[in-house]
Amino acid sequence: QQQVKQSPQSLIVQKGGISIINCAYENTAFDYFPWYQQFPGKGPALLIAIRPDVSEKKEGRFTISFNKSAKQFSLHIMDSQPGDSATYFCAANDYKLSFGAGTTVTVRA
Amino acid sequence: DTEVTQTPKHLVMGMTNKKSLKCEQHMGHRAMYWYKQKAKKPPELMFVYSYEKLSINESVPSRFSPECPNSSLLNLHLHALQPEDSALYLCASSQGGDRGIQYFGAGTRLSVL
Repeated sequence: QQQVKQSPQSLIVQKGGISIINCAYENTAFDYFPWYQQFPGKGPALLIAIRPDVSEKKEGRFTISFNKSAKQFSLHIMDSQPGDSATYFCAANDYKLSFGAGTTVTVRA
Repeated sequence: DTEVTQTPKHLVMGMTNKKSLKCEQHMGHRAMYWYKQKAKKPPELMFVYSYEKLSINESVPSRFSPECPNSSLLNLHLHALQPEDSALYLCASSQGGDRGIQYFGAGTRLSVL
């Protein structure tokens, strides 16, 4: 069974808009929550990550929000650009990484 | 430099062939991983090597055989594969104690005929 639930499966956003991807988990042993970006034919690239003692982390246009009590975390992509079109995976780590199912983001010019 | 290099980029093999995938990193990472990824799915963990010793085998069929010759190299030996084994095979590495921060290679696209 999937330990990290990710939604939506896909989303389309206009250039300059905000993309929001949500993830939820149950395992309280998870201690690290990375997000990966993957382009077709490429391996996943670490985008941004957060630990459960932090509620928000921002790197450029990418922000992770983390709600420990609700066991939820989300990725916000601000000012979305066509180059952001990719598949995004959330993940959670205990002794290994558990990935969400992935979200395909399409940014229309 | 966060580069993990995988060779070959593409591989086509018959079900009776023997082939190997290679992965290399020079970041001083002490944990290395093999993942399998099917189209539009997340990576699935196959094997983990920690300090050159196999620490996790996710019940992978014996037709996949991993090898870690040294701390920078990871191989995946393939034998008698099935068409359903066709996938993108990804290698990753991380610092020894923190498996969350994994860096992935570009993968080997494997087709089994």
